[in-house]
Amino acid sequence: RKEVEQDPGPFNVPEGATVAFNCTYSNSASQSFFWYRQDCRKEPKLLMSVYSSGNEDGRFTAQLNRASQYISLLIRDSKLSDSATYLCVVDSNDYKLSFGAGTTVTVRA
Amino acid sequence: SQTIHQWPATLVQPVGSPLSLECTVEGTSNPNLYWYRQAAGRGLQLLFYSVGIGQISSEVPQNLSASRPQDRQFILSSKKLLLSDSGFYLCAWSVPGGIYGYTFGSGTRLTVV
Repeated sequence: RKEVEQDPGPFNVPEGATVAFNCTYSNSASQSFFWYRQDCRKEPKLLMSVYSSGNEDGRFTAQLNRASQYISLLIRDSKLSDSATYLCVVDSNDYKLSFGAGTTVTVRA
Repeated sequence: SQTIHQWPATLVQPVGSPLSLECTVEGTSNPNLYWYRQAAGRGLQLLFYSVGIGQISSEVPQNLSASRPQDRQFILSSKKLLLSDSGFYLCAWSVPGGIYGYTFGSGTRLTVV
């Protein structure tokens, strides 16, 4: 079983729509959770950390469900510039983070 | 503030040639350092990580090697490149434990021909 699994998508949504997707992780001892954004042919960049109580950053909302071992990301009022691949990231052990393969989101005009 | 530099941005190398990619971090000390590879349309594959000078852990057996000659310098090398070594190579750093996530360099796109 992969440490972090994501629905690869693609999620094709119109501008202004809400899109949400999850990732699941296998290590119940994980303590750190993140969402990264990767644009085509660019390096991944930290979008937001995910806290146990859930957190928002503008149009982005992240949730953590420890019991079911999944993390979600919701994007409200989608913009064309939100088109990217979103990587779910979870700490594994021994100084390392595990990256999911990514969920592709395409926002169309 | 901390910055990470990675070069070159693109590289085209013939099969069998050597490789040296360099990564340096500024504005922090004793960072954890990482080398990742991303094949076209695929996820990130951790190649090597280091928690200190001269300390290298390898994740995947292959014809690549890594070295950390200085606290904030991480080098990825190969003596003889294979076609399968083509990909997008990313260096990253984190504070020990990675609790704030990783910061990536801008990457090197390597094409082996």
